[in-house]
Amino acid sequence: EVAMTQSPATLAVSPGERAALSCRASQNVSSNLAWYQQKPGQAPNLLIYGASTRATGVPARFSGSGSGTEFTLTISSLQSEDFALYYCQQYNNWPPITFGQGTRLEIK
Amino acid sequence: QVQLQQWGAGLVKPSETLSLTCAVYGGPFNVFYWTWIRQSPGKGLEWIGEIHHSGTTTYNPSLKSRVTISLDTSKNQVSLKLRSVTAADTAVYYCARGWSFYHYYMDSWGTGTTVTVSS
Repeated sequence: EVAMTQSPATLAVSPGERAALSCRASQNVSSNLAWYQQKPGQAPNLLIYGASTRATGVPARFSGSGSGTEFTLTISSLQSEDFALYYCQQYNNWPPITFGQGTRLEIK
Repeated sequence: QVQLQQWGAGLVKPSETLSLTCAVYGGPFNVFYWTWIRQSPGKGLEWIGEIHHSGTTTYNPSLKSRVTISLDTSKNQVSLKLRSVTAADTAVYYCARGWSFYHYYMDSWGTGTTVTVSS
């Protein structure tokens, strides 16, 4: 099973600033990585797949990078609606599909 | 735009069977990997398993002995059964659409069903 580790657990950033969220895989997952955003009371929403491809309708301020075992989700200029939980998910070696434990992005 | 509407019992007694159904509206049914995922405070997001339109299933090894996922293609519905539940199975359960075998990310999700296991 591929273990996904996200850091930090909580990140406090001011609106308008840049945020960088990290995700590390316990083994090589190539570029088979997705990022999701989850707001309270809602299901996760796909942001990025293939490590760097934005899903339909996702604003350009969201970008993904990395391959192998190290990945980053960057939000270039934080808007109020971006403060949420973020999860990474690998789909290179499954079953099982595995998720990180999440990073909570808070307003500083 | 595809919509996933899910329903099922919100309270299940220990040792009984959890049953949930997910209906797919507004999109093709027979090309994707229909998936169940759960979320609990203690374990985060946990992939339960999937069923392909062909009827083949793959389950999380940690749950495999207790899980059945099935399809009703005539109704565009996917069902989940989890047997012999305990308090550890208390979670929000989501159905989701997995894009493909080699690109298995979830691009559409149901709204979630909160299931509590308690006597």
